[in-house]
Amino acid sequence: EPEVTQTPSHQVTQMGQEVILRCVPISNHLYFYWYRQILGQKVEFLVSFYNNEISEKSEIFDDQFSVERPDGSNFTLKIRSTKLEDSAMYFCASSYLEWGYTFGSGTRLTVV
Amino acid sequence: GENVEQHPSTLSVQEGDSAVIKCTYSDSASNYFPWYKQELGKRPQLIIDIRSNVGEKKDQRIAVTLNKTAKHFSLHITETQPEDSAVYFCAASKSGTSYGKLTFGQGTILTVHP
Repeated sequence: EPEVTQTPSHQVTQMGQEVILRCVPISNHLYFYWYRQILGQKVEFLVSFYNNEISEKSEIFDDQFSVERPDGSNFTLKIRSTKLEDSAMYFCASSYLEWGYTFGSGTRLTVV
Repeated sequence: GENVEQHPSTLSVQEGDSAVIKCTYSDSASNYFPWYKQELGKRPQLIIDIRSNVGEKKDQRIAVTLNKTAKHFSLHITETQPEDSAVYFCAASKSGTSYGKLTFGQGTILTVHP
């Protein structure tokens, strides 16, 4: 079964540093998403990406965040200047239609 | 925006019993309702979903019911097994207008005792 692949699985970074989280969605999928989950809490929407542009973003997705699909396969989330409260599990997801997503295995981001 | 409330937050059952988790949503335009199972430290996995044009959907031991008028939907697991123990999340979206953005409930920790 096709998978969404995320790297790295765990990233530790100093506050104020930039991080890039990487995702390889399923190859024929058209919709791409980033979600985050703070430990013990619910999954929260960050951003959706369709047709090479952001289609929707949440209040969490402020100017510190950006997404890119630099080539036909990768989908990245950049956090420009990390804060302690950015510590969370970040999940990438993709879907062919607007439902039935497949989530990646996640990147645990720890900001120290 | 959409708000999804889920209860109970924890649910403990004996193996073989049924488990029911309920969610309510606020936006009457929501039309797609998936349920995800998340084991500790792992990704959410889609276990069943329902669209607003049907009232019930079943897949072996798992069923979902939807009441559009009351804006609530429920997950039913029958003949529970210890491997059903996990966190279950409901979610809602408005496919067709929101590019698939999911709003999740707070999650239910299900524990099935052997």
